[in-house]
Amino acid sequence: SQQGEEDPQALSIQEGENATMNCSYKTSINNLQWYRQNSGRGLVHLILIRSNEREKHSGRLRVTLDTSKKSSSLLITASRAADTASYFCATRRGNNRLAFGKGNQVVVIP
Amino acid sequence: GAVVSQHPSRVICKSGTSVKIECRSLDFQATTMFWYRQFPKQSLMLMATSNEGSKATYEQGVEKDKFLINHASLTLSTLTVTSAHPEDSSFYICSATGRENEKLFFGSGTQLSVL
Repeated sequence: SQQGEEDPQALSIQEGENATMNCSYKTSINNLQWYRQNSGRGLVHLILIRSNEREKHSGRLRVTLDTSKKSSSLLITASRAADTASYFCATRRGNNRLAFGKGNQVVVIP
Repeated sequence: GAVVSQHPSRVICKSGTSVKIECRSLDFQATTMFWYRQFPKQSLMLMATSNEGSKATYEQGVEKDKFLINHASLTLSTLTVTSAHPEDSSFYICSATGRENEKLFFGSGTQLSVL
């Protein structure tokens, strides 16, 4: 089964607005990570939240984790055109492998 | 943050040829490297995991004779697509993790087009 399924998958917002995307997973985790991918490029690590944490901030990013619901959300505040990208959540599986979700494509309109 | 260099960024080849993609960790020792394949607008599909000095572990459904992985040093892993066919056309991405072993650092990807 695929871990990390984001919803919604496409989001188009105006610059300055907040963007929220969600991720759900199926099994127990040690941590959940969010990555960003610009078109045709590799992924960049954004933030990691551990299973014993409920919320974490990094700059304009805010991540929440609800282990009882097996879900996480990523909030980007005061979005910028440069935030246009795909965002993936990932959970760690056995042998240190990360399973990636389907991804959210975010378009920030200037 | 740590830097992973992946080359080439784009390659176009004829059907039947082999293509080698390199993945290097530039400023850290990569104890584990991962190779992913990504189709347009889709997620990353893990192909294999390689640890330095040992054989790669392939995911189910990935042909190890088709996708040869070598991880000869702590800073270099290579993926060779042997006898490439048009259906192998895809975006291939490597990633590496160091001793900290939590975050992944990604290469910039290789777009393979097989004619």
